[in-house]
Amino acid sequence: AQTVTQSQPEMSVQEAETVTLSCTYDTSESDYYLFWYKQPPSRQMILVIRQEAYKQQNATENRFSVNFQKAAKSFSLKISDSQLGDAAMYFCAYLNNNDMRFGAGTRLTVKP
Amino acid sequence: DTGVSQDPRHKITKRGQNVTFRCDPISEHNRLYWYRQTLGQGPEFLTYFQNEAQLEKSRLLSDRFSAERPKGSFSTLEIQRTEQGDSAMYLCASSSTSGSLWEQFFGPGTRLTVL
Repeated sequence: AQTVTQSQPEMSVQEAETVTLSCTYDTSESDYYLFWYKQPPSRQMILVIRQEAYKQQNATENRFSVNFQKAAKSFSLKISDSQLGDAAMYFCAYLNNNDMRFGAGTRLTVKP
Repeated sequence: DTGVSQDPRHKITKRGQNVTFRCDPISEHNRLYWYRQTLGQGPEFLTYFQNEAQLEKSRLLSDRFSAERPKGSFSTLEIQRTEQGDSAMYLCASSSTSGSLWEQFFGPGTRLTVL
């Protein structure tokens, strides 16, 4: 069964600094998608960034980038120039066919 | 607002009562998903529909749970004889088979508290 592990329940970063959130997953599939979702307090989950497993190039969306290591089954999220609005729960997710699995989440605090 | 909507946003009920939640997906989306999220955890898949057909159900979806999407538009999730362990956030998401299947758009969720 596919599992997603986020080993950091909480992380903190100073405003304007860079932070990296870790995620590992377990799968026997070769073709799948990986995502980072952001869930602000009392607000709905929104997609931050996605990565297709067949692509070697790491995805980048503005201040957000990933480090995808397929052999190691690792998918970390780097947030550069952190902003107060980045404070939220961040969930790593794996999708193969219609099976979406989420990690337990990392709560990110941004200090002014 | 053309996003995914869910109603109610909060529901408090007594153990043993039945509850029903509604989800309205993005209008052109033919796939609709239900997830459950307990405190401190990520969402867990419950079931999904393509149009009106329920194509997959998780083993988490016990006999007390039933979901419908009668006309392929909105969906309802009913929990019968609620238990305290059913307390959670119930999330709905939608996607389109004509677009990027991977992109699921989430609603704000319905928070259920069973007393």
